[in-house]
Amino acid sequence: AQRVTQPEKLLSVFKGAPVELKCNYSYSGSPELFWYVQYSRQRLQLLLRHISRESIKGFTADLNKGETSFHLKKPFAQEEDSAMYYCALSGGSYIPTFGRGTSLIVHP
Amino acid sequence: NAGVTQTPKFQVLKTGQSMTLQCAQDMNHNSMYWYRQDPGMGLRLIYYSASEGTTDKGEVPNGYNVSRLNKREFSLRLESAAPSQTSVYFCASSVGVGRTYEQYFGPGTRLTVT
Repeated sequence: AQRVTQPEKLLSVFKGAPVELKCNYSYSGSPELFWYVQYSRQRLQLLLRHISRESIKGFTADLNKGETSFHLKKPFAQEEDSAMYYCALSGGSYIPTFGRGTSLIVHP
Repeated sequence: NAGVTQTPKFQVLKTGQSMTLQCAQDMNHNSMYWYRQDPGMGLRLIYYSASEGTTDKGEVPNGYNVSRLNKREFSLRLESAAPSQTSVYFCASSVGVGRTYEQYFGPGTRLTVT
């Protein structure tokens, strides 16, 4: 079975502070991992995926197979980063499993 | 392109009533999905359709039925609504069922069952 854990329901930071949204997964094989974002009153959209190894809107995420983690990081948070963030895992079933989400609030 | 569209945007039902949520995509995707989003529970898969003509149960299928009408359309039906089905429902599509495929989401339907 595959599982995604996002331990924080809510993360509150001030503008300019570093941000790390945690994601841990459970899967015995080689996973494909994603971060999706949902801004207020907008639909969910892909933020980044580990296979692309890219930085989107200043966010990066590194797959750590030893710690089974895929934490999302940004060195300097902006107010427009306030949103709901979901980590997702595609494993053997090919249907992604989503975590419960972390609400990020960036205060001015 | 509109991407993934859903109707209605909002709906209020009384317990026992039925309704169908509509979803359509214009991206020529093969796979389509229905999720529900509840506070603290994240996104949970109700049903999916890997390709036209096939449907499969997800994590929380009880109380729902689906129809893949054609390649573009995938509907979700509540035969006898219950308060536990109060939720936000998202439809999504992807090129196919594959580990690296991105999912594209609709705007959601907010359903309240009283």
